[in-house]
Amino acid sequence: AQKITQTQPGMFVQEKEAVTLDCTYDTSDQSYGLFWYKQPSSGEMIFLIYQGSYDEQNATEGRYSLNFQKARKSANLVISASQLGDSAMYFCAMRELIYNQGGKLIFGQGTELSVKP
Amino acid sequence: DAGITQSPRHKVTETGTPVTLRCHQTENHRYMYWYRQDPGHGLRLIHYSYGVKDTDKGEVSDGYSVSRSKTEDFLLTLESATSSQTSVYFCAISEFGLATYNEQFFGPGTRLTVL
Repeated sequence: AQKITQTQPGMFVQEKEAVTLDCTYDTSDQSYGLFWYKQPSSGEMIFLIYQGSYDEQNATEGRYSLNFQKARKSANLVISASQLGDSAMYFCAMRELIYNQGGKLIFGQGTELSVKP
Repeated sequence: DAGITQSPRHKVTETGTPVTLRCHQTENHRYMYWYRQDPGHGLRLIHYSYGVKDTDKGEVSDGYSVSRSKTEDFLLTLESATSSQTSVYFCAISEFGLATYNEQFFGPGTRLTVL
């Protein structure tokens, strides 16, 4: 069965510094997708970044980048130049493909990030 | 923002009563999902739908049923609510094409409390 593990329940980072949120995954599929979502205290789920298993380059979206190490089965999120508004819960997720039924997301437990001024 | 609404947004009910949560989308996406979010567990899939009247179970489906009679609506029913079903419920939608990338868009969530 597919599994996502986030080993950091909570993290602190100083404003303007970079921070890495860890995510490891387990799958026997060759084709899969990895996602990161942000959930601020208001509760909505915000899509941040996506990495496909066949993508040769690490995904980047503004201040977010995904450090994808396929052999290690890790997909860490890097946030550069942290801002106070980055304080939130962050979830790593993996898409599980289901034949003729699309795909569904398997989520990790989340990491709560606090940015200090 | 993807057009997804959930109703009600908050509900308090008593053990043993039936509860129905509604997810409505205006995006005409084929796939719809119900997740629950609990501390320490992230989001866990309850049920999903891959077309009108086509549904399947997720990892935490016991005590829940779903129905999808039209593309835009996906209903989640707790036949007899229990305190363990106190949670935040999220609906999500996606469109799956030939590309491997398919983002799931989430609704605003429903906070359900079962006393």
